[in-house]
Amino acid sequence: GAVVSQHPSRVICKSGTSVKIECRSLDFQATTMFWYRQFPKQSLMLMATSNEGSKATYEQGVEKDKFLINHASLTLSTLTVTSAHPEDSSFYICSAQRRGRQETQYFGPGTRLLVL
Amino acid sequence: AQSVAQPEDQVNVAEGNPLTVKCTYSVSGNPYLFWYVQYPNRGLQFLLKYITGDNLVKGSYGFEAEFNKSQTSFHLKKPSALVSDSALYFCAVRPNTNAGKSTFGDGTTLTVKP
Repeated sequence: GAVVSQHPSRVICKSGTSVKIECRSLDFQATTMFWYRQFPKQSLMLMATSNEGSKATYEQGVEKDKFLINHASLTLSTLTVTSAHPEDSSFYICSAQRRGRQETQYFGPGTRLLVL
Repeated sequence: AQSVAQPEDQVNVAEGNPLTVKCTYSVSGNPYLFWYVQYPNRGLQFLLKYITGDNLVKGSYGFEAEFNKSQTSFHLKKPSALVSDSALYFCAVRPNTNAGKSTFGDGTTLTVKP
């Protein structure tokens, strides 16, 4: 149990387009989801925390108008990179906290974004 | 502010030898501590966690870690390394509150040579 999926796993887009990444908890209800960004050979950088039905909380330095997060249900959160630029190219990883098991995060497999 | 230190960027061991990947942390209050493994172009896989109870925690794939409160450490260990253990390992800490956010170390690349 406790499987988290991400879609797409890899996306290549042109500069200026918007890209939506989905994060789903497949077999549990996720009260909280986290979005991370990871540069090559570096650690995970928390971008934002989203709770179902409320606005996401963004970390300092993360542009909320650039990285739109929607946590529409207890099993789905989306991250939209708006007007993507090459510097947005990165590995984006989501994680979910299970209702009643809030000490553990379950990570998705990640989405590789390449902006040309 | 909480923090995690993984002092070694790289750990090299021979197959069959014991391995240790070090982690020290700083957090207010009692910590939740985690180890994750990441293979190239993949997300993080959970290995083990310390929440409360026994200081020695056993996890997936034969890994274990010992919580040492006085040294604020949570080193990852395995008695006999496999080549397939070669990967990037992350230690993470979060406070034991519902709103606590995780902080990750910079990662340690483990290479196990045959």
